[in-house]
Amino acid sequence: DTGVSQNPRHKITKRGQNVTFRCDPISEHNRLYWYRQTLGQGPEFLTYFQNEAQLEKSRLLSDRFSAERPKGSFSTLEIQRTEQGDSAMYLCASSLSGGLWAFFGQGTRLTVV
Amino acid sequence: DQQVKQNSPSLSVQEGRISILNCDYTNSMFDYFLWYKKYPAEGPTFLISISSIKDKNEDGRFTVFLNKSAKHLSLHIVPSQPGDSAVYFCAASANEGGSEKLVFGKGMKLTVNP
Repeated sequence: DTGVSQNPRHKITKRGQNVTFRCDPISEHNRLYWYRQTLGQGPEFLTYFQNEAQLEKSRLLSDRFSAERPKGSFSTLEIQRTEQGDSAMYLCASSLSGGLWAFFGQGTRLTVV
Repeated sequence: DQQVKQNSPSLSVQEGRISILNCDYTNSMFDYFLWYKKYPAEGPTFLISISSIKDKNEDGRFTVFLNKSAKHLSLHIVPSQPGDSAVYFCAASANEGGSEKLVFGKGMKLTVNP
């Protein structure tokens, strides 16, 4: 296993379109996180799964955002009706319960034009 | 409100010298602190961490110091190497409800000159 994998690496979309990102965590990790990073800022927490259960969502996650983790394996993050303010790097991370740190993927850079 | 603050956006040091990166936090519930390093076009990579029950943790050239009373931590890199040039993020977690979500600072760009 080579780590957390995210696809696509880059996505350019027109305002109003829907986009979906995928994250494949490290295989034995039961926790999966989504973060968003904008220019000049650190990553900001969006949501978190333990196995297939979505246990926490940030107020940053508007109703246009939805995340799933079917069967507790890979996860998808969908953004509906994209806005220019959604342009950011979307980072996925995974960890074990009780693990001391999370491993991050390389991220998906979204540009909304 | 910024719960984790990295007030210096950048630092430049000479190879072989010490790099000191600072971080302040406001939330007394934070009980675990981490430093991540990020190269361009890559995700953050874990570097070193410290629990709130300790005041120092060392791993090779990297040492993190925690001053709970001042709500301040620092990362020391000795000796600094050109490969250390990257953006460094300070992060903290409160382990509320068992979640280990991280709160990050804005990051600081370290440049180590040969």
